[in-house]
Amino acid sequence: AQKITQTQPGMFVQEKEAVTLDCTYDTSDPSYGLFWYKQPSSGEMIFLIYQGSYDQQNATEGRYSLNFQKARKSANLVISASQLGDSAMYFCAMREANTGNQFYFGTGTSLTVIP
Amino acid sequence: EAGVAQSPRYKIIEKRQSVAFWCNPISGHATLYWYQQILGQGPKLLIQFQNNGVVDDSQLPKDRFSAERLKGVDSTLKIQPAKLEDSAVYLCASSLVRLAGGEQFFGPGTRLTVL
Repeated sequence: AQKITQTQPGMFVQEKEAVTLDCTYDTSDPSYGLFWYKQPSSGEMIFLIYQGSYDQQNATEGRYSLNFQKARKSANLVISASQLGDSAMYFCAMREANTGNQFYFGTGTSLTVIP
Repeated sequence: EAGVAQSPRYKIIEKRQSVAFWCNPISGHATLYWYQQILGQGPKLLIQFQNNGVVDDSQLPKDRFSAERLKGVDSTLKIQPAKLEDSAVYLCASSLVRLAGGEQFFGPGTRLTVL
């Protein structure tokens, strides 16, 4: 089974609108972390936001927020007030504490912001 | 604070040739990861080091790929001999802690083209 599933290969959003990128995960480890990374066309991976499995509140970082629904095993990224510079690939990742801290990445979602 | 350094940034070789990539993680980061990212896909973990010991190399094609991390700092990844399907971006990342909450910091990557 896939550890991380991103079902949206491509998404479009109008500038200044909000967009939600979906991510579901699969783990039996009670201690894990969920991450979102942005990868622009230049290729570097940029860390955006982190959610711990024991965190009670959804993580927020500026215009990024993580909609964490533990029972549904989902960790969707919400980008508010989209900007043209948000156009990039977005990867959801998970790190399990009890399996050597290996990171598992999803296949990514390509986001295009339309002016 | 300096980021993760990788070299070279680009490499073009012919199949059956050998190639080596170098990575210098962020100072003090005990965990180092090598990923292979094929165009259009998410990063795939090749090998994970904790200091100079291997934590996970289950997805490393050991018949042609090798990696080492001498003295628990710099690391090299070698491919010998290269195949066409090895064309990809090779990403190095490091993290500070082994707990599930430590995010990875990525280097700029090495883009390998095998002709």
